[in-house]
Amino acid sequence: AQTVTQSQPEMSVQEAETVTLSCTYDTSENNYYLFWYKQPPSRQMILVIRQEAYKQQNATENRFSVNFQKAAKSFSLKISDSQLGDTAMYFCAFMKPLGGKYIFGTGTRLKVLA
Amino acid sequence: DGGITQSPKYLFRKEGQNVTLSCEQNLNHDAMYWYRQDPGQGLRLIYYSQIVNDFQKGDIAEGYSVSREKKESFPLTVTSAQKNPTAFYLCASGTVPSYEQYFGPGTRLTVT
Repeated sequence: AQTVTQSQPEMSVQEAETVTLSCTYDTSENNYYLFWYKQPPSRQMILVIRQEAYKQQNATENRFSVNFQKAAKSFSLKISDSQLGDTAMYFCAFMKPLGGKYIFGTGTRLKVLA
Repeated sequence: DGGITQSPKYLFRKEGQNVTLSCEQNLNHDAMYWYRQDPGQGLRLIYYSQIVNDFQKGDIAEGYSVSREKKESFPLTVTSAQKNPTAFYLCASGTVPSYEQYFGPGTRLTVT
């Protein structure tokens, strides 16, 4: 069975600095998808970034980028130029194609300090 | 505006009563999902449906039931058999091939 582990329950970063959130996963699959979702205090889940396992190139969305290490089963999220609005819970998620199910990590609470 | 709506935002029930949480989407997505969120446990999948009139149990389906009679709607019933129903419930929809899921605003259910 697939598992997703986020080993950092809480993190903080100064505004404008860079922070990296860790995520590791366990799977025997070769093809799968990985996601980072953000849940701000409003509790609305928002997709941050998505990575297909068959793509070697790391995904990037504006200030958000990932470091995808397939052999190490690692999928970290880097937030550059952190903003106060980045304060949120961040969830890493794994999905096997055609399986229809996400597996979520337990989340990392990120606080951006002014 | 396209999106997912969940109602109500807050719901209070007495123990022993069944309660139905609403989830509607106008994104034309085939797949819909129900998750439960408890502090420190992330999101756990209750039920999901990839097509109308079909649904599958997730990891914590006991004490819950769903129906998928319309593409747009995926209501969740929390039955009296659910031992600890107080939680935050999130509905999502998604589509192949992106596999991205789009979430509703959630319903906070409190059972006393």
